Amino acid sequence: QKEVEQNSGPLSVPEGAIASLNCTYSDRGSQSFFWYRQYSGKSPELIMSIYSNGDKEDGRFTAQLNKASQYVSLLIRDSQPSDSATYLCAVNPHDMRFGAGTRLTVKP
Amino acid sequence: EAGVTQSPTHLIKTRGQQATLRCSPISGHTSVYWYQQALGLGLQFLLWYDEGEERNRGNFPPRFSGRQFPNYSSELNVNALELEDSALYLCASSFSGGNQPQHFGDGTRLSIL
Repeated sequence: QKEVEQNSGPLSVPEGAIASLNCTYSDRGSQSFFWYRQYSGKSPELIMSIYSNGDKEDGRFTAQLNKASQYVSLLIRDSQPSDSATYLCAVNPHDMRFGAGTRLTVKP
Repeated sequence: EAGVTQSPTHLIKTRGQQATLRCSPISGHTSVYWYQQALGLGLQFLLWYDEGEERNRGNFPPRFSGRQFPNYSSELNVNALELEDSALYLCASSFSGGNQPQHFGDGTRLSIL
C-alpha cells in the first residue's frame, strides 16, 4: 500500500464548477496535511495546510480532513481555467510524503 | 521575503561524472529537503537536513549525498551519474520540525547525456 494515494486523473470540470480532489494516507500517526499545486514545468506551490479534523476554507479552496477515515480532500469552487494544474497531496508524520498527484483540467 | 533559491537552473553532465546542486532556504528556515522528480512522475523524497544534521533519507543509493552548512544552506551531490538520474531536483525549506509546511525552490534540471 502506498503511503499517500491520489486518483491520478485526469479530472476534467467545466469552468465555474466545483472540482473535488481526494487523498488517502496509510500512517495513522500523521499530524499535518498539505495541498500543493504544480503547473507543468514549475515547482510545487503550497495552497492549503490542515492539521485538525473538519473543514478549512481559504477563498475558493476548502480542505477537508477526516483522520478516522485517513482521508483528506480539496474542493475548488468556481473553478477557473487557471486552476488547471496537478494537485499534490502531502502528509507529514515525520517527513513529507507526497502523493503522485491528480491532474485537473478546467475547460472554458 | 526571498524564497528558496536553487542553483544552477540547468546542469548538463555525462555518465560517470559528479554533480553538485545548491540550495538556500528562506530566511529563518532551518530544515532543507531534497526531492527528485523525473519527467511525468511524482516527487521522490531524497534527503532531509535540519540544524546541520541529516534527519532522514529516502530510498536512494549512497551515491546521492548532501550536507547542510552552518548558514542552513545545503548542497546535494550525485556521484557516478547514470542516465536515469536525469530529473528535476527540487529543494524545499521549512521551519524546524517535521510537521511544518515546505516551500519549494524552482529546481535544478539535471540532464545526463
